[in-house]
Amino acid sequence: DTGVSQDPRHKITKRGQNVTFRCDPISEHNRLYWYRQTLGQGPEFLTYFQNEAQLEKSRLLSDRFSAERPKGSFSTLEIQRTEQGDSAMYLCASSFGTSGVSKAKNIQYFGAGTRLSVL
Amino acid sequence: AQKITQTQPGMFVQEKEAVTLDCTYDTSDQSYGLFWYKQPSSGEMIFLIYQGSYDEQNATEGRYSLNFQKARKSANLVISASQLGDSAMYFCAMREGRSSASKIIFGSGTRLSIRP
Repeated sequence: DTGVSQDPRHKITKRGQNVTFRCDPISEHNRLYWYRQTLGQGPEFLTYFQNEAQLEKSRLLSDRFSAERPKGSFSTLEIQRTEQGDSAMYLCASSFGTSGVSKAKNIQYFGAGTRLSVL
Repeated sequence: AQKITQTQPGMFVQEKEAVTLDCTYDTSDQSYGLFWYKQPSSGEMIFLIYQGSYDEQNATEGRYSLNFQKARKSANLVISASQLGDSAMYFCAMREGRSSASKIIFGSGTRLSIRP
């Protein structure tokens, strides 16, 4: 039983370059979340997919950021024209849940993250 | 307004002692969920324990228990018989709203260090 997998674990890039991260969720999970964590802070929500549909985006997700989950399985997060302020840990989480009102726990399980450094 | 408040940036505890990590939250929703995650230096966020707002009993998972005081909007994590491997960042988090798909909001964390 594999957990959430993220690739790469570390990425160093120069300002202005584009980067893409990949997340493979737990296989039976239909929901996938992206978070960003800066040093000394808790993770902040970026966006969320249910199957292949992107259902919510944070205002933190500027137009330089785009996320996809084309077949409802793995997801990619792309950052275009990176800035030094984009340096952070990017965490992916997955969960299983059904739509609508639910008292289900819908526990989000996280990957180990991709640490991005923009020089 | 800050939704999750963790007032202890860092704590030192002797091995085998119990430790309580504080968490208060702010919400106007009647239905919400509270979580604790552990983040070791490797970076992965590890789920520890969950408490639903309608759960009448405090949640327990092995050495972890959640001291849920709804009227005080408090959800403290208690770790019994601490171990060296418990040294990590601990985050309290909340999911608001009736939908189980809602995003999680995290506090700023408490760094726990266990002394041998």
